[in-house]
Amino acid sequence: QLVLTQSPSASASLGASVNLTCTLSSGHSSYAIAWHQQQPEMGPRYLMKVNSDGSHIKGDGIPDRFSGSSSGAERYLTISSLQSDDEADYYCQAWGTGIGVFGAGTKVTVL
Amino acid sequence: EVQLLESGGGLVHHGGSLRLSCAASGFTFSNYAMTWVRQAPGKGLEWVSAIGGSGGSPYYADSVKGRFSITRDNSKNTLYLQVNSLRAEDTAVYYCAKFSTGQWPVLDYWGQGTLVTVSS
Repeated sequence: QLVLTQSPSASASLGASVNLTCTLSSGHSSYAIAWHQQQPEMGPRYLMKVNSDGSHIKGDGIPDRFSGSSSGAERYLTISSLQSDDEADYYCQAWGTGIGVFGAGTKVTVL
Repeated sequence: EVQLLESGGGLVHHGGSLRLSCAASGFTFSNYAMTWVRQAPGKGLEWVSAIGGSGGSPYYADSVKGRFSITRDNSKNTLYLQVNSLRAEDTAVYYCAKFSTGQWPVLDYWGQGTLVTVSS
């Protein structure tokens, strides 16, 4: 069964970088995932798709400060030059066999 | 520009029904699978249901199987979710989203959501 695991929280200072991890459950290391951002009181926004080879496809208008990578069963989202409006919940998402799966989300705090 | 616009939410009594709609524009609607995702107050995102581009292959989360029904009208570029036998735990913002294509489809566009509130 496909499960996506995320840390509940992460924080970094304004202007610094933060790395978020989404771990795919055993047997699913070839899956691509998507990262979605949800700012407070807003709907989700697609950031990028991250493939198992580390390549990624960004959504419309997503700045270069956001990048993705992979290693084994882990998929990463790196946010560089943190800005105040990067403070949000970040969810990873994948499509399994006939079922959609989300991670529980990581809340990013900008210090 | 891809746009997804949900409607049909509202306040409904326990056991009641609603039909949610999602009007799509800016892409060839029939070429893409679509999905509904919900978010209960203060909670994370929960996948609800998905449907293929031609209207076949509907899928449902266990929590809604037998009570919710996903359909689409490709002539109207509209996705629907019929929600029946509503429970308090169905209270949530319901989002429609579009799947990308390829071997590993992901959600690449989202609507703004429609709120469903179930009162006891």
